[in-house]
Amino acid sequence: DIQMTQTPSSLSASVGDRVTIACRASQTISNYLNWYQQRPGKAPELMIYGASSLQSGVPSRFSGSGSGTDFTLTISSLQPEDFATYYCQQSYSTPFTFGPGTRLGIK
Amino acid sequence: EVQLVESGGGLVQPGGSLRLSCAASGLSFSNYWVHWVRQAPGKGLVWVSRINSGGSSTAYADSVKGRFTISRDNAKNTLYLQMNSLRAEDTAVYYCARDGSAWSLGYWGQGTLVTVSS
Repeated sequence: DIQMTQTPSSLSASVGDRVTIACRASQTISNYLNWYQQRPGKAPELMIYGASSLQSGVPSRFSGSGSGTDFTLTISSLQPEDFATYYCQQSYSTPFTFGPGTRLGIK
Repeated sequence: EVQLVESGGGLVQPGGSLRLSCAASGLSFSNYWVHWVRQAPGKGLVWVSRINSGGSSTAYADSVKGRFTISRDNAKNTLYLQMNSLRAEDTAVYYCARDGSAWSLGYWGQGTLVTVSS
């Protein structure tokens, strides 16, 4: 199975900050990497698919990059609604494993 | 608008069985692969299973293989998860999700809680 890791596991930031979350796969997954946002008590929502494609309706301050084993999610200017937990997930091969999550909190 | 609504969760004793359902609307359900993902209380997301559009191909996480069975009824626009030999560690919110682009999970239901406890 492909293992996914995320760094950091948590971070605190302020509105307007630029933040980056890293995700690493234990083997190459090409660009089959997706990012999800989950707010407390809510279902996850797809933000980025295929490593760098923005899901319809997602604000352009979100961006993704990477290929192979190393990927990043960047939020260019944090807004209050962005404080949530973010998960990466590989869809290269089953089981479609998720990373452990990064909790983004308000400083 | 795509809508996925899970049902069937509840309290069950260890060793018991439960069948979850996921009713889909607003989409051509039969054209898409669909998945189950679970989340234990306070923990992260764990992919559980997926089934292809026609129902002929399935895959499972090792932790549920041999105990859970995914199926679908395209005439009823409904996805199922039959869960047998349930364990305490199966306690979680179970989400169904529909394939999006690049094999992502593009649409999610609101989840249904399964609690395995005596």
